[in-house]
Amino acid sequence: NAGVMQNPRHLVRRRGQEARLRCSPMKGHSHVYWYRQLPEEGLKFMVYLQKENIIDESGMPKERFSAEFPKEGPSILRIQQVVRGDSAAYFCASSGNRGPNAEAFFGQGTRLTVV
Amino acid sequence: GENVEQHPSTLSVQEGDSAVIKCTYSDSASNYFPWYKQELGKRPQLIIDIRSNVGEKKDQRIAVTLNKTAKHFSLHITETQPEDSAVYFCAASIGGNKLVFGAGTILRVKS
Repeated sequence: NAGVMQNPRHLVRRRGQEARLRCSPMKGHSHVYWYRQLPEEGLKFMVYLQKENIIDESGMPKERFSAEFPKEGPSILRIQQVVRGDSAAYFCASSGNRGPNAEAFFGQGTRLTVV
Repeated sequence: GENVEQHPSTLSVQEGDSAVIKCTYSDSASNYFPWYKQELGKRPQLIIDIRSNVGEKKDQRIAVTLNKTAKHFSLHITETQPEDSAVYFCAASIGGNKLVFGAGTILRVKS
């Protein structure tokens, strides 16, 4: 079991470009969560998805951010027209059938730098 | 609200001593409470968790206690070692839809 896989590990974008972050959950997991972590800060919930459904997006900024988890393929977190304040580590986690009430395992994160 | 408060923010202990980190939560319906350890530049890793039908759980040098009435839970690390130095995060399941994390505790074990 390869665990939760995120790519890329590091992503550099210029202001105004789009950033696409990918997350493949652990085998057998159908619940995916995205978190943002600023340097030396905690993990801020962004969105919770199950296959083809957004369950809770209460932590997503209203503009420029979107997430999906299609029937086939990885979950994608998309940030349009990036700004310097978007620079952070973005972590994906996945869990099994019990959703948020079960063990969630994190990927290695994508470190986004906006220049 | 959907808050998880964590204290202290930093904790320094001498090698061999115990370390205790405390968290409180606001959602009385929360029923799952994991703890994660994050080393510098790495992913958070689950170290222990507890569910609301249990008051205490232990795994070698690590234990977690839960007081549902008071809505707080604690992580206890005994016989600390330098490799225990890391950032520790508590979390609580909120609204059945997400894990909300505390702000983290930087633990430094001095040898």
